[in-house]
Amino acid sequence: DAGITQSPRHKVTETGTPVTLRCHQTENHRYMYWYRQDPGHGLRLIHYSYGVKDTDKGEVSDGYSVSRSKTEDFLLTLESATSSQTSVYFCAIRGTEGDQPQHFGDGTRLSIL
Amino acid sequence: KQEVTQIPAALSVPEGENLVLNCSFTDSAIYNLQWFRQDPGKGLTSLLLIQSSQREQTSGRLNASLDKSSGRSTLYIAASQPGDSATYLCAVRRGGSEKLVFGKGTKLTVNP
Repeated sequence: DAGITQSPRHKVTETGTPVTLRCHQTENHRYMYWYRQDPGHGLRLIHYSYGVKDTDKGEVSDGYSVSRSKTEDFLLTLESATSSQTSVYFCAIRGTEGDQPQHFGDGTRLSIL
Repeated sequence: KQEVTQIPAALSVPEGENLVLNCSFTDSAIYNLQWFRQDPGKGLTSLLLIQSSQREQTSGRLNASLDKSSGRSTLYIAASQPGDSATYLCAVRRGGSEKLVFGKGTKLTVNP
């Protein structure tokens, strides 16, 4: 298994509160990604990082911010959570040697009431 | 805009059967295509990655093919087992982009 740990694994919070999800990797991979998975929409890219302090937006980035101060950690922040952000969030990593596949963590189930 | 379609949405087969899962995409300018499986409550497990210049990839009982010109990929599973029961997802990546575009998956059930 790819060395990816997501925390927390489950979280319930209220609308308007800030939420931070953490992705930690032990593979020293350059690329890290945050996705959300929703019924009827499948998996969609929120943000990704191509190095320390280097990030870019994905397909559904509104309402989310990210930070990467160390190679091993990629944080996803919902500054003011809304019910539409209730979802399962997945982190993924990818190496840069050759054409590498993305490897996924086990996900964080986030419920916003 | 790239769209990825997987048909059927669900498939139920008896154990031992060989089966094919389908994935189609609208824009043939892809860099690679990746097949994943997802077990309930779990993340995605990478199965096979096919580069745009390749026609197929094999891993054990799995064989994935790619026909870029027609916008299709298939995942062939030989001698299916109950442990193969999962949702199978395909995703395509365009050259110069880090974005994977996913299909909605095919839920496979292999009955003992």
